[in-house]
Amino acid sequence: AQSVAQPEDQVNVAEGNPLTVKCTYSVSGNPYLFWYVQYPNRGLQFLLKYITGDNLVKGSYGFEAEFNKSQTSFHLKKPSALVSDSALYFCAVRDRADTNAGKSTFGDGTTLTVKP
Amino acid sequence: DADVTQTPRNRITKTGKRIMLECSQTKGHDRMYWYRQDPGLGLRLIYYSFDVKDINKGEISDGYSVSRQAQAKFSLSLESAIPNQTALYFCATSPGHGNEQFFGPGTRLTVL
Repeated sequence: AQSVAQPEDQVNVAEGNPLTVKCTYSVSGNPYLFWYVQYPNRGLQFLLKYITGDNLVKGSYGFEAEFNKSQTSFHLKKPSALVSDSALYFCAVRDRADTNAGKSTFGDGTTLTVKP
Repeated sequence: DADVTQTPRNRITKTGKRIMLECSQTKGHDRMYWYRQDPGLGLRLIYYSFDVKDINKGEISDGYSVSRQAQAKFSLSLESAIPNQTALYFCATSPGHGNEQFFGPGTRLTVL
């Protein structure tokens, strides 16, 4: 079974400060890892993914995430937060070996609020 | 035009009614998914389909059924709606196993 934990329901940061949204995962094999963002009254939008290769992944809107296999983590980061980054963020995991299932498991989401 | 569309966007219905939510995509993806979102519970998978002849149950399929009418169309039905099916429903597509999903705008369903 695979699972994702986003330990913080809410993250608050000031505009211009760095932000981190935490994600830890559990899979039986190697993971595919994804981050999505959801703005109010919208569907989820893809931000970035880790498939293989470099542990530091860069994505849309200046976001990046670091894959840490030993800590089974995939934290989302941005060096300088914007008010417009305020949204609900989801981490998702998929077992790379489970090609027949192809199911992603999503975390419960973290609400990011960036204050001016 | 949006790549993944859902109709209706909002629906209020009564307990016991049959409801169909529709999803269409122009991305040419084989894989399609139906999720429901409840506050604090993230997204939970209802059904998924890898092609027209392949339908699979997700983690919360009870009370739901689906139809894959074509590669581009994947419908979700609630045969007899109940209040705890009140939620936000999302359709998603994906080109393959290692790829991200593309989500529709969602359908907000309220069952009274």
